[in-house]
Amino acid sequence: TQLLEQSPQFLSIQEGENLTVYCNSSSVFSSLQWYRQEPGEGPVLLVTVVTGGEVKKLKRLTFQFGDARKDSSLHITAAQPGDTGLYLCAANRDDKIIFGKGTRLHILP
Amino acid sequence: DAGVIQSPRHEVTEMGQEVTLRCKPISGHDYLFWYRQTMMRGLELLIYFNNNVPIDDSGMPEDRFSAKMPNASFSTLKIQPSEPRDSAVYFCASSPGRATYNEQFFGPGTRLTVL
Repeated sequence: TQLLEQSPQFLSIQEGENLTVYCNSSSVFSSLQWYRQEPGEGPVLLVTVVTGGEVKKLKRLTFQFGDARKDSSLHITAAQPGDTGLYLCAANRDDKIIFGKGTRLHILP
Repeated sequence: DAGVIQSPRHEVTEMGQEVTLRCKPISGHDYLFWYRQTMMRGLELLIYFNNNVPIDDSGMPEDRFSAKMPNASFSTLKIQPSEPRDSAVYFCASSPGRATYNEQFFGPGTRLTVL
């Protein structure tokens, strides 16, 4: 059983559209991170959310941590080809970081 | 500043051969992590070190896998003997503090293919 379920697994949309991807769990976490991974590279941290209900913005990306700290969403406004990549959520369990399998996003020009 | 350095970037070997992957973490980072990434299982933590000491190796799949960190600037992950199911991308990451609240900096990975 995957601790962190990410959906959708794959998403392909046109440039300029908006999208939301999700990271869900039945467990409560003290913090949750989002990473982006481009082909041939390692993941790069985008944001860490700590407080239930917290919303963080990074340019066109909006991250939200659920009130119960069990889930999170990432919303991208006006997607651009440079947003293409694998988006991974990660959370701490038993003092180790656990990653979801990710959402593979492809933005069509 | 140099990030996490991994070598080799690509490794192709035959079943039964020994494979050694190398990692140089970012200077000053106390934590070092080894991950394996596959399409089926995603990114899995294999082992991590704190101040060169292995803390948790529960993710190491079996005795064929071993990892060492002889000093603060170097770590190795060894597979002996290698099997086709070990084919994956192996990442090394380092962090300045406990992973819970700190960013992990990943290397570019080593793509391992075992024939």
